[in-house]
Amino acid sequence: DVKVTQSSRYLVKRTGEKVFLECVQDMDHENMFWYRQDPGLGLRLIYFSYDVKMKEKGDIPEGYSVSREKKERFSLILESASTNQTSMYLCASIAVGLAVGEQYFGPGTRLTVT
Amino acid sequence: GENVEQHPSTLSVQEGDSAVIKCTYSDSASNYFPWYKQELGKRPQLIIDIRSNVGEKKDQRIAVTLNKTAKHFSLHITETQPEDSAVYFCAAKVITGGGNKLTFGTGTQLKVEL
Repeated sequence: DVKVTQSSRYLVKRTGEKVFLECVQDMDHENMFWYRQDPGLGLRLIYFSYDVKMKEKGDIPEGYSVSREKKERFSLILESASTNQTSMYLCASIAVGLAVGEQYFGPGTRLTVT
Repeated sequence: GENVEQHPSTLSVQEGDSAVIKCTYSDSASNYFPWYKQELGKRPQLIIDIRSNVGEKKDQRIAVTLNKTAKHFSLHITETQPEDSAVYFCAAKVITGGGNKLTFGTGTQLKVEL
């Protein structure tokens, strides 16, 4: 059973703080993704990574950065949190050999920036 | 890049009725179309998918149809039950190699009423 875990379910941070969201998967997946989910906007891709130390911008990368030092871990970084980054953040992973098939999601982190 | 539009944003049906959710995509190179179901407070999970070389796929009460010419695909749920109540997301992917990424629709909140 694939497990994708995220470091926190709920997080409250202040404007200007540096925020780290961590994602870990235990199935040796090469591809990992970070999305944010907002009502009426669906799931929007922030960044993704094809392999260790590789990263690519998604559709809304502004204000975010990522780190993939180990295959199982993909971190999302908010360099200076702002209120418009209040959202649900979902991590996902899929094996590189699976061009089709389920992309497994983590449980999500609900981030509130005050 | 790819753009996926999904309609309706909310759908309410009586138990036992059918529900249809429609999506359109913009990139004619997209060749894989999964549907995800997200129950309240839970992570999205794959329920059915279809590749572009297939026009229709069925799995018990769920079916997906694809019209490549018109660039739209639909999810059909028959004999709806209360446990079908959830948010449904369509997505499109261009399968080109290891670096595949999904573009999601904005989601449909389905409510099955008793």
